[in-house]
Amino acid sequence: SAVISQKPSRDICQRGTSLTIQCQVDSQVTMMFWYRQQPGQSLTLIATANQGSEATYESGFVIDKFPISRPNLTFSTLTVSNMSPEDSSIYLCSVASTSSHEQYFGPGTRLTVT
Amino acid sequence: GEDVEQSLFLSVREGDSSVINCTYTDSSSTYLYWYKQEPGAGLQLLTYIFSNMDMKQDQRLTVLLNKKDKHLSLRIADTQTGDSAIYFCAEANDYKLSFGAGTTVTVRA
Repeated sequence: SAVISQKPSRDICQRGTSLTIQCQVDSQVTMMFWYRQQPGQSLTLIATANQGSEATYESGFVIDKFPISRPNLTFSTLTVSNMSPEDSSIYLCSVASTSSHEQYFGPGTRLTVT
Repeated sequence: GEDVEQSLFLSVREGDSSVINCTYTDSSSTYLYWYKQEPGAGLQLLTYIFSNMDMKQDQRLTVLLNKKDKHLSLRIADTQTGDSAIYFCAEANDYKLSFGAGTTVTVRA
């Protein structure tokens, strides 16, 4: 299984500011994703982080609001831009093995926007 | 689009079996997953099943898949207090997961 770490684990931010969340995996993985879990709700896929190219966003999510980088096979960042209280959520990165189809999640970043 | 549904709550007595049910709509789903989330914690992968299989057993966990009815279930044998958590089923399409709302399992003594 992959070991995934995220930084920060939590943050409280003011509206209008931006926060960059880092995701580090202990092994090279092909597939990396970013999900959002709003309070008391299920998980929603934000985007697929593509190594060396622009991320692929799901319906309802745009690059200007959630820019993503993936410079190599073990690291990705998600930025939540121009935050509003509606962005208060847990943001999780995940990785998928294309051989075993196992999918693992990081511990999440709990973001509160005031 | 994908739509995954689960019952929201399940209460079970310690030592009994728990059965959590899930239905999905995407017939092209390749794999289906069960995750466990304890309070304040991340998602733990419990088990997963390929869509061409109908059953998978792993220690206390048994997954049953009825592909015709698009119905997935997770059975936990000998449920313990440590099994109290939210359980999410998810379907994968091209490795992208669509989640159900989660079933909160409460184990009572």
